[in-house]
Order: sequence, then structure tokens, then C-alpha cells
Amino acid sequence: DGGITQSPKYLFRKEGQNVTLSCEQNLNHDAMYWYRQDPGQGLRLIYYSQIVNDFQKGDIAEGYSVSREKKESFPLTVTSAQKNPTAFYLCASSADKSSYNEQFFGPGTRLTVL
Amino acid sequence: SQQGEEDPQALSIQEGENATMNCSYKTSINNLQWYRQNSGRGLVHLILIRSNEREKHSGRLRVTLDTSKKSSSLLITASRAADTASYFCATDDSSVNNDMRFGAGTRLTVKP
Repeated sequence: DGGITQSPKYLFRKEGQNVTLSCEQNLNHDAMYWYRQDPGQGLRLIYYSQIVNDFQKGDIAEGYSVSREKKESFPLTVTSAQKNPTAFYLCASSADKSSYNEQFFGPGTRLTVL
Repeated sequence: SQQGEEDPQALSIQEGENATMNCSYKTSINNLQWYRQNSGRGLVHLILIRSNEREKHSGRLRVTLDTSKKSSSLLITASRAADTASYFCATDDSSVNNDMRFGAGTRLTVKP
């Protein structure tokens, strides 16, 4: 059963804490992405990775960090430097970063800062 | 920055009617994709249309692309209640490493 999974589904964080969101895929995809979605808005790119041990900033990378130590995994850390982290976070993957490839999305993690 | 902008923001129709959503974008593209999102879930790819194509069909979906007007439309024929979702267009931004740019989406409600 191939796909992309995210955990947890819901996450609550106190102000000032770092928190890590998990993203795993077994599609053998090279490229992975993290997006942020706010109510009534589209997706904004946080970070992407085209290959293991390499990643690039997207439009809104400030306050976030990522790692890509394994092909299957692309965790996102929301740091205390992110001023407004409450949002819906979506992870995606594609065969490679060619824009002709469809992106496969995980079910998302809803992060709430208390 | 968001490349695609969908219109209308929200659309409510009766089951059996057709639904048309539009997308406009700003820069040159290689392709345009449409995705669907059920409430609180991830996005699901529907269809991709290349810049040299004008129309594409997939089941009850029909997508058109007019590169001269920098616009695309998604038509869902004979809509069903299960089509209720948000629909997003996404374009590749050749000015930024072909990053995909998503619009804010059209929220479609199909009433039974």
C-alpha cells in the first residue's frame, strides 16, 4: 500500500516550543515538499528537497527547518522563531522536481499554538 | 507569491448541474495542474494540461487552457454531492526553479 503519511494528525504546542512534524513516503520519490495552508488560502511552499541530504528554501522558510537524511523521510521542525505557526501543514512528494510530475500529498497535520 | 487565482471563490449548485471554475495566472508556464481537496485532507491530483494543449478530458472533468489570456477553466459535468470540495489550480513558476504555485481555490458545494 504505497503512499505518503504524516503524523500526528493534530498537534498542540505552547509558545516558545519547537515541534517536529513527520512525513514519510514509500513511493520511491526523489522530491519532497512542505507546504503551509491557512484558512481560505492556497498552499505556500516552505521547503523542498530534490535528493537526499539536499534541501532548498521556499517562499516562507523563516522559522522552519528540515532535514533529508533518508529518501523516505522529510521531517519539518517548526521553531519558536516562527511567529504565527498555527496552520495546516501538508507534505507532498513527486518522482522528481520536474513540473510535469504530479505531486502526491499526505493527509496533513493541523498545528495549533496555545 | 501565488501564481494562480481561482474564480469564483465559492460556488453552490444542485446535483446534476455542471460546475465551472476558472483560474488565471501571471507568468509563462510549462503546464497547469488542477487538484481537489476535501475538507481537512490532503490534495489529490486531478489533471495536468501542458502549455501546448488547449483542452483535456478525464471522465466528467474537462479542462481548457488559453495561454494568450493566461487562464484555464475546469468543468465538472453532471455534478454529484461527492464532488463537494475545494479545487485548486497550480502552475509552475519558471522564474523560481519551476516551483509549483497554488491559488486560493474555489470551494464547490453540490447540494443533493
